[in-house]
Amino acid sequence: DAMVIQNPRYQVTQFGKPVTLSCSQTLNHNVMYWYQQKSSQAPKLLFHYYDKDFNNEADTPDNFQSRRPNTSFCFLDIRSPGLGDAAMYLCATSREDRSTDTQYFGPGTRLTVL
Amino acid sequence: AQSVTQLGSHVSVSEGALVLLRCNYSSSVPPYLFWYVQYPNQGLQLLLKYTSAATLVKGINDFEAEFKKSETSFHLTKPSAHMSDAAEYFCAVTPPGGGSQGNLIFGKGTKLSVKP
Repeated sequence: DAMVIQNPRYQVTQFGKPVTLSCSQTLNHNVMYWYQQKSSQAPKLLFHYYDKDFNNEADTPDNFQSRRPNTSFCFLDIRSPGLGDAAMYLCATSREDRSTDTQYFGPGTRLTVL
Repeated sequence: AQSVTQLGSHVSVSEGALVLLRCNYSSSVPPYLFWYVQYPNQGLQLLLKYTSAATLVKGINDFEAEFKKSETSFHLTKPSAHMSDAAEYFCAVTPPGGGSQGNLIFGKGTKLSVKP
């Protein structure tokens, strides 16, 4: 089945130790998104790519970076995780970047920072 | 700026009862509206969306929602709740015409519990 895959599902890191989260998709969609979702809150968009065009949200901390080496893969790098970065990180895709498009979400990676 | 309000952070219904989850938007121009569902420890899944065609929108798992411009609402309903409907539901909005999915704004979510 075509889908959005996130690895790992659970990630534990230490305060200040860089961590990379991975997302891949078999939908061949043009757009990929990274969201941060803290407990009992709505997902918050960090950034998104249309193909290789990168769009950073204004309030996304500099500590968060992203790479999209090809259509299928997108990575979220957290350079120096703090305790406040513990959250669920959701990757999503959409065919295009129109207001009417549907986003398809992966299962998420739950990040714990010790 | 667009925003969406979900009334009730937690709704509890009995199995077989009507489900009603409320969503109101604030926008001078009717936006596009979405309902997503999130099961525990999973990503979000689209239930249905309104994109300015029919005002009554039918989605998966017998959910439906009606766009009411006069009330700036897009409430989600299901005639008969099932135990498997227990999840968190998010209403979301994007600006009409030429906007981006990067402008998708989520409400705070409503957690639905279903009692046997």
